[in-house]
This record gives sequence, C-alpha cells and structure tokens, in this order.
Amino acid sequence: DAGVTQSPTHLIKTRGQHVTLRCSPISGHKSVSWYQQVLGQGPQFIFQYYEKEERGRGNFPDRFSARQFPNYSSELNVNALLLGDSALYLCASSLASTNQENTIYFGEGSWLTVV
Amino acid sequence: GNSVTQMEGPVTLSEEAFLTINCTYTATGYPSLFWYVQYPGEGLQLLLKATKADDKGSNKGFEATYRKETTSFHLEKGSVQVSDSAVYFCALSDPSGSARQLTFGSGTQLTVLP
Repeated sequence: DAGVTQSPTHLIKTRGQHVTLRCSPISGHKSVSWYQQVLGQGPQFIFQYYEKEERGRGNFPDRFSARQFPNYSSELNVNALLLGDSALYLCASSLASTNQENTIYFGEGSWLTVV
Repeated sequence: GNSVTQMEGPVTLSEEAFLTINCTYTATGYPSLFWYVQYPGEGLQLLLKATKADDKGSNKGFEATYRKETTSFHLEKGSVQVSDSAVYFCALSDPSGSARQLTFGSGTQLTVLP
C-alpha cells in the first residue's frame, strides 16, 4: 500500500506569491494534518482535518489555510509568502481523529523555498 | 501549554556504543509519548510509542519508558550502528484536546562513526 504522498517535493516561490501543497493520505485514513518544519527545528502543527472539517489549528497566521476533499486528500494554501515561510511542509494521516492508539504516519514532505 | 524538551545535539558515537537521548515533557493531561526518526532526505517515521505511565515502547533495539513521576521519556539503545545515524524527535499527543496534534521537541542529530 502507498504511504502518505505529497506533491510537489520541491518548489521555489517569490515573496508575495501564493503556494498550494497537496497530500494524499494512506488509503482508509480520514484524518489529515499539516506541519511546518523549519531547518534545524522540530515540526510545528498547522492544521488537522477530519471528515472534511477542521478539528484543530496551530499558531499560524490567516495566510495559511487548508481544506480536505471528499476523497480525504488535502491541500495546504499559503498566501503572501514571506521569506520565513521557507520550510519543509509535512502532511500526516491517521485512521481516526483523536484515538491515541492510532499511529500518525508522515509523508516525505514538500520543500518550499521563498526567495 | 504542552511542550517537549530534548537533549541538544549533535551527538557523535562510535559503532556499538550505548545511546541515551534525554526527553522531558510538560502537559496538562495524560499524554501519549512518541519517538520519531528522520533519516536524511526522508520524512518522519514512528520509532516507538507509549500511551500510559510505566509503559515501555521498543523497536529495532531502541527502548523508552514513560516515567510520569519525572515527566520523562528517554530514548536508549545498547549498541548503535552506523545505520542509526539520523535526527531523533521526541513528541507528545495530548488526548484532552479536540484535535490530534503532536508537539515535538527540537530534535537530536545522531551520527554514528564506524
């Protein structure tokens, strides 16, 4: 079975532009989360979606938004890009929303560089 | 709020040496605890987990015990290999919230020399 897949793997954007990152969860997984990992730091939680509804949001500005589609795939959108948005964006999926026994699986991430 | 503090790296060991990476946490409830590993150029992989106090998680020779009294979840391995070179992240998940989110430490870079 395929794991969590993300696209694109690498991209370069200019300050002020907009970016869309895509994620397909593991088959059967209904929960998708997004994390930002700045170089040299641990991942920071951005959003969680479950059954197409936002279940949680981290401490990120409104420039960050996301959505989940009926097939449980997800998009992360970032508007008005800043140099500080340069990071590895990780998508994660799990079976259910809050069950602690369900393992959270991560994709390989999308590397975003803002110049 | 919730937080995770990890031993700062980088850590460099010789092959077959003993490894300890310290991790302590602060949480309002009774969190689940995890160790994730990130190999160069790859995403995060779950290494082991423990969901309640005194549980021991283990995988691939790595172990960690959930110590509620010291709020710790230290990672240990008796004999490291070159292939263990990676960045290790301690994380917690607080079941009291409406979202299933992981709070990560800053990561510890491990390099094992032959």
